Amino acid sequence: EIVLTQSPSTLSLSPGERATLSCRASQSVSSSYLAWYQQKPGQAPRLLIYGASSRATGIPDRFSGSGSGTDFTLTINRLEPEDFAVYYCQHYGSSTWTFGQGTKVEIK
Amino acid sequence: QVQLQESGPGLVKPSQTLSLTCTVSGGSINSGGYYWSWIRQHPGKGLEWIGYIYYSGSTYYNPSLKSRVTISVDTSKNQFSLKLNSVTAADTAVYYCARSGGYSFGYWGQGTLVTVSS
Repeated sequence: EIVLTQSPSTLSLSPGERATLSCRASQSVSSSYLAWYQQKPGQAPRLLIYGASSRATGIPDRFSGSGSGTDFTLTINRLEPEDFAVYYCQHYGSSTWTFGQGTKVEIK
Repeated sequence: QVQLQESGPGLVKPSQTLSLTCTVSGGSINSGGYYWSWIRQHPGKGLEWIGYIYYSGSTYYNPSLKSRVTISVDTSKNQFSLKLNSVTAADTAVYYCARSGGYSFGYWGQGTLVTVSS
């Protein structure tokens, strides 16, 4: 079973700054199977990025994903007030889905 | 626009069976090409995938829950359902239904909190 480890657990930033979130897999995975979600309090997760780097429909271009192998990154350029939330990475493999434990992006 | 809506009891007694239904609108489960999943989130914690069903009825479950989980589909009602038996307080969570196209979940229900308590 592949384990996804996200870091940091919490990221304290100001609006306008850049956020860099990391997701590390316990073994090499296909980029096709790596996704990122945003979750705000009381809401369901929202798909941001699929295939490691493709933005989902309606996602602003300040969100970008990159990486390969075991190391993946979600970058949020110029944080907007609505971007402060929890972010999860997710992997699909062997007919199962696993999620990282999340990174909270909070206002500094 | 596909929409998913969970429904079911918000309170379940320990050792009993948790039963939830997800009603899909704006798209047909029967159309194929998608996996219909249940995902849960313990209070203040991360996300745990429970299992999926395909429109044909084929299923796959998280190995950690497999012995207690059954997911079924009713294509005539455009619904799929979750049953989790022998629940304990550790099963208290927000339960989401979701649709995956490819390898990610593009559509989610709003979630329903299920509390296991006597």
